[in-house]
Amino acid sequence: GIQVEQSPPDLILQEGANSTLRCNFSDSVNNLQWFHQNPWGQLINLFYIPSGTKQNGRLSATTVATERYSLLYISSSQTTDSGVYFCAVFGDYGGSQGNLIFGKGTKLSVKP
Amino acid sequence: GAGVSQSPSNKVTEKGKDVELRCDPISGHTALYWYRQSLGQGLEFLIYFQGNSAPDKSGLPSDRFSAERTGGSVSTLTIQRTQQEDSAVYLCASSLVGGRARNEQFFGPGTRLTVL
Repeated sequence: GIQVEQSPPDLILQEGANSTLRCNFSDSVNNLQWFHQNPWGQLINLFYIPSGTKQNGRLSATTVATERYSLLYISSSQTTDSGVYFCAVFGDYGGSQGNLIFGKGTKLSVKP
Repeated sequence: GAGVSQSPSNKVTEKGKDVELRCDPISGHTALYWYRQSLGQGLEFLIYFQGNSAPDKSGLPSDRFSAERTGGSVSTLTIQRTQQEDSAVYLCASSLVGGRARNEQFFGPGTRLTVL
C-alpha cells in the first residue's frame, strides 16, 4: 500500500519564526489533507489540497502530485500553533476504499 | 449538526467487558469512517460506511470489533470482550460522499477508551 512519510518528526521554534513541514508519498494520490492535532486531541482541518497551492492566513500549503510531495508553511509562528501536524492521503486507485492513510506526524513546539 | 460529535468523550472499562462508542456525523454527509489512534500505531483506519453499508471493513483488528450505521446517520462501534491493547482514542470522521469521490473528511473529538 501507499506509504506516507513526514519530516521532521519534531520541531522546536521560537515564537515568530517560520517553518516548513514536508510530506512525501510513495504513489499517486487524488486527495491529500493536512491536519493540526491540538493538545486536546482534536484533529482540525487545515487544507484539502490534492494539487496546487492554497493559503489561509499565516498557513499555506503546496502539493506537487507529479513529484509526490506536499509542503506546509507556517509563518510568524505562535504558541497556539503547537501540536502535531498530520498529512493524510487517499491512494489513486480503484475499489471501494474510503480511508485516509496518515503519516506519523510532525510534533511542533513553539516557545514564547 | 455543526460538526461531528462522539460520545462518550472518555470511557474506562474492565478487561472482558463490552463497550459501545457512538458517532453522529455532520448532517448530510453520506460517508462515515472510524479510525483509532494509539501510541505505538499512530492513526489507523478501522471501517468505512457509505450510507448504511460498509464496503470496507478491512481495518477492523479482530472479530471482537463490529460497527453499524442506521438511517444513514448515527454509527455505533462495538468492542466485545475488551482487552488492554484496545486502549486508544477512537476517532470518527465524515465526508459528503466517499469511495472514489475522496471528499474532504472532518473528524470528531474522539472517545478515549481505557481498558483496565
